[in-house]
Amino acid sequence: GAVVSQHPSRVICKSGTSVKIECRSLDFQATTMFWYRQFPKQSLMLMATSNEGSKATYEQGVEKDKFLINHASLTLSTLTVTSAHPEDSSFYICSATDLGGATYEQYFGPGTRLTVT
Amino acid sequence: KQEVTQIPAALSVPEGENLVLNCSFTDSAIYNLQWFRQDPGKGLTSLLLIQSSQREQTSGRLNASLDKSSGRSTLYIAASQPGDSATYLCALQQLNAGGTSYGKLTFGQGTILTVHP
Repeated sequence: GAVVSQHPSRVICKSGTSVKIECRSLDFQATTMFWYRQFPKQSLMLMATSNEGSKATYEQGVEKDKFLINHASLTLSTLTVTSAHPEDSSFYICSATDLGGATYEQYFGPGTRLTVT
Repeated sequence: KQEVTQIPAALSVPEGENLVLNCSFTDSAIYNLQWFRQDPGKGLTSLLLIQSSQREQTSGRLNASLDKSSGRSTLYIAASQPGDSATYLCALQQLNAGGTSYGKLTFGQGTILTVHP
């Protein structure tokens, strides 16, 4: 199956700093990538939809100025958590799909554990 | 608004048992449905994808069925093993007005499966 990577897998940062997380599709071109966050013992919550070359679409309640998303190429999307605070500590997961394909199957990255101290 | 429910929330079985995980949804206008596995602290692994026109998919010891009319999908695991222990998530993509999907997944809360030796 298709492979999606995320970097870093784990990051600890101080309150007030910014953190960038990368999501890459390694062996296919992803027209669309999605960013989720997951709190302990909960399911995934969609944060935003990222289409290559256009602005991301954010879900209700997600601050677009705090969670900056860039999808500059068909294989790379980045999520930047700006001015991070302890409540931003979470597990962030991206997924990628090719909406020009037949099945729209989504492939997930391994996730990034963010801890803000 | 689509709602996805998974029952049971948790399941503990002895090794070797056949088991069924249930997923129900409120809006039958779906494009596809995926079953995922998530190990603690990890990303999601796609197990099976069923297109809306299909009724079931099989992969090894796994079989997933889809009944749109009743708003249900089941994941059948044969001859369970301790290595099957994980959280199982079902998620679906909604059909849009153009007859395809925007790719967004709506997740259930998951079933935590424990298979003990």
